[in-house]
Amino acid sequence: VQLVESGGTLVQPGGSLRLSCEVSGFTFSRYWMHWVRQAPGKGLVWVSRIDVDGSSIRYADSVKGRFTISRDNAKNTLYLQMNSLRAEDTGVYYCARDITVGALSNWGQGTLVTVSS
Amino acid sequence: SYVLAQPPSESVAPGQTARITCGGDNLRSKVVHWYQQKPGQAPVLVVYDDRDRPSGIPERFSGSKSGNTATLTISRVEAGDEADYYCQVWDSGTDHWVFGGGTKLAVL
Repeated sequence: VQLVESGGTLVQPGGSLRLSCEVSGFTFSRYWMHWVRQAPGKGLVWVSRIDVDGSSIRYADSVKGRFTISRDNAKNTLYLQMNSLRAEDTGVYYCARDITVGALSNWGQGTLVTVSS
Repeated sequence: SYVLAQPPSESVAPGQTARITCGGDNLRSKVVHWYQQKPGQAPVLVVYDDRDRPSGIPERFSGSKSGNTATLTISRVEAGDEADYYCQVWDSGTDHWVFGGGTKLAVL
């Protein structure tokens, strides 16, 4: 099982960014997926989750209306479109597989997003 | 929003038992998961569904719950267990996933 995030970079406040998470080693289309972030020196914060076909999606209040989670099961890839970025969105973003509608069994190595002018 | 409370830090001597707690309203009715995160690394699931261990996790790691407090117990602590530990639940009321603030375990 492997999850590889990409797309993190330095972006100005108000800017946009799209993160990707390419997975292998399991049947991607059978699992709910999540994004979790971690600000520098801080704890884990759940961001969003998507069900197997994208028909059910949830967001943390802090990103609702600004972030969009999506998936392409044919490409085994999870996405996070991030708009209207703020300094407080800075951190490492992890994608993770949900095995029990709750527990996140596998995580990527993370991709760093820095929002700064 | 739902809140999980963890002590910021715990310390334990090698070979002893570490206990990390996680508290929350009506936690007795929720399923708790635990993660270990070492510096510069991604989190690793060490206990799921209150007390089950994923394959590859040593038996020294165990989970339990009593009332509204969940506990991660690490027996025969080793230097390599020094890490941040997070509890996590799914809150059905908001349909959100919630993490505790994390506990930094120091092995003295």
